[in-house]
This record gives sequence, C-alpha cells and structure tokens, in this order.
Amino acid sequence: RKEVEQDPGPFNVPEGATVAFNCTYSNSASQSFFWYRQDCRKEPKLLMSVYSSGNEDGRFTAQLNRASQYISLLIRDSKLSDSATYLCVVNMEYNFNKFYFGSGTKLNVKP
Amino acid sequence: GAVVSQHPSWVICKSGTSVKIECRSLDFQATTMFWYRQFPKQSLMLMATSNEGSKATYEQGVEKDKFLINHASLTLSTLTVTSAHPEDSSFYICSAFTSGGSNEQFFGPGTRLTVL
Repeated sequence: RKEVEQDPGPFNVPEGATVAFNCTYSNSASQSFFWYRQDCRKEPKLLMSVYSSGNEDGRFTAQLNRASQYISLLIRDSKLSDSATYLCVVNMEYNFNKFYFGSGTKLNVKP
Repeated sequence: GAVVSQHPSWVICKSGTSVKIECRSLDFQATTMFWYRQFPKQSLMLMATSNEGSKATYEQGVEKDKFLINHASLTLSTLTVTSAHPEDSSFYICSAFTSGGSNEQFFGPGTRLTVL
C-alpha cells in the first residue's frame, strides 16, 4: 500500500466552482501535512501546511482528520490560474524527516 | 520563502557520459537535502536523502553507484548521474530542509536531463 494516496483526477471544473480533493495516508505516526502545487514542468511550491484544527488561506481551506487518516483541500471560487497538479505531502519526523508524496491530483479550471 | 537553486536547468548528453547536477540553498543552511526524480505524468519519487557530512541514504531500487551524491556543505549538494542512459532521462529536483523550523522543504527549479 502506498504511504500517501490521491485521486489522480483530472478534475475539470468551471471558473467559480468549488472543488475538493482528498488524500489518505497509511502511517498513523505521520506528523506534518502539506499541500503543494505543481505546474507543468515546474518544481512543486508549497500551497499551505495543514494543521490539526484546520486552516484557511483565502480561497483555500485545508482539513486534517487524524482518526480517518486523511487530509483535504477545498478551493472556493476557482480561477483559471488554479489549474495545476496538487500534491499531498506527509512528513514522518521520526524517519530522518522523510517526506512522502502523493501522486497528485490534476485540476483543470475552464472558462 | 527560502531560495534553492539548481544548475544546470537542462542538459542533453550522450549515452555513457556522466552528468553533475548542483543544488544550492542560497539564503539558509540546509541540514538535509533530498533528491527526487519525476517522469512525465508521474509524481516525485524520492531517490535519496542527503545529510551534510555523511553518506546519503538511498531509496530502494536506486543504485548508489550510479547516482553519486555528495553533500559537502550545508548549502551545497551534488548529484552525479554516472554512465547515463536514455532511461535516465527525467526531471531531477532537489529540495532543502532545515529541522526545527516549519518542516517545510524548499524545492529547486529542477534539472531536465535528456540522454541521447
């Protein structure tokens, strides 16, 4: 079983739509959680960390559910510029600070 | 956020040659640097974890004699692809990490390697 699993998509949504991605992780000892965004042929860039109480940054809301071992990302009022691949990343600090990446969820926002 | 550079950004080489990729953290000292490889339409695959002054830890299936990693300082790590073959053509990305902070890793812009 993969450490981190994501639905690859693609999610095709119109501008202005609300879209949500989920990501599940297998190791309950996971400590830190992140959402990264990766544009085609570019390096990943941190979108937001995910905190236990959930957190919001503008149109983006991240949630963590430790009991069910999943994290989510909600994007409201989608923009064309949100089109990218969203990577779920889990960090297990006991293991040399190793980061595990999901395979990414592709989002296409269409006019 | 912190800045990580990679050089070169792209390289084309002949089969059998070796290619060195540099990863530098420009404005912070990285205790750990990671090397990833990404094939088209796939996610990042961790190749190795490199801590300054010690040997790199390679992931299963990654040949340490083929992918030589040197982490001589807190701001520089190098990956050398030895005797490159066409199947080594990929996007190689490094990231730098400092423990005790936000646990964020900062990515370099990547190096696109094409082996003819």
